[in-house]
Amino acid sequence: DAMVIQNPRYQVTQFGKPVTLSCSQTLNHNVMYWYQQKSSQAPKLLFHYYDKDFNNEADTPDNFQSRRPNTSFCFLDIRSPGLGDAAMYLCATRRAGSSYEQYFGPGTRLTVT
Amino acid sequence: QKEVEQNSGPLSVPEGAIASLNCTYSDRGSQSFFWYRQYSGKSPELIMFIYSNGDKEDGRFTAQLNKASQYVSLLIRDSQPSDSATYLCAVIPQTGANNLFFGTGTRLTVIP
Repeated sequence: DAMVIQNPRYQVTQFGKPVTLSCSQTLNHNVMYWYQQKSSQAPKLLFHYYDKDFNNEADTPDNFQSRRPNTSFCFLDIRSPGLGDAAMYLCATRRAGSSYEQYFGPGTRLTVT
Repeated sequence: QKEVEQNSGPLSVPEGAIASLNCTYSDRGSQSFFWYRQYSGKSPELIMFIYSNGDKEDGRFTAQLNKASQYVSLLIRDSQPSDSATYLCAVIPQTGANNLFFGTGTRLTVIP
């Protein structure tokens, strides 16, 4: 089945230790998004790729970086995680040009100790 | 300012009743509207989208859009305990890169 996959599902990292979260998709969608969601809050868009074009939200901290080496994969790098970065990180995809619906992966729950 | 407002709830309805969830948005030019269901600890799941004024039905779900009043609602008929979740309203405003702006969600509890 076509889907959005995120790995790992749960990640524990130490304060200040770099961490990378991954997302892959078999939907062949050209737009990929990274969101951060904290408890009882709305998902907050961090950045997105439209094909290879990277779009950073104005209030995304510099601590967060992203890479998209090909259509199927996208990575979220947190260079120096702080306690405030503990959250669910959601990857979503969309097929531009034909629809506006976004489809989410299962998420990665990040804990910072 | 691009805002999406939802009553956080919790909204409690008995099993078999109609659950009505409401969402208002601030950007009058918004064109696309979405409802996502999110179970606790899980990711959002798209359940409905609507682009035109009026009603759109899919099984037990009906989305209603009123652009003049800037609100969109979701009706769930014959509510089941498995419908208990947080429902997120999302809007694509007129300006921008077709990105979604989410409300904080309404928590629905269906009581058996």
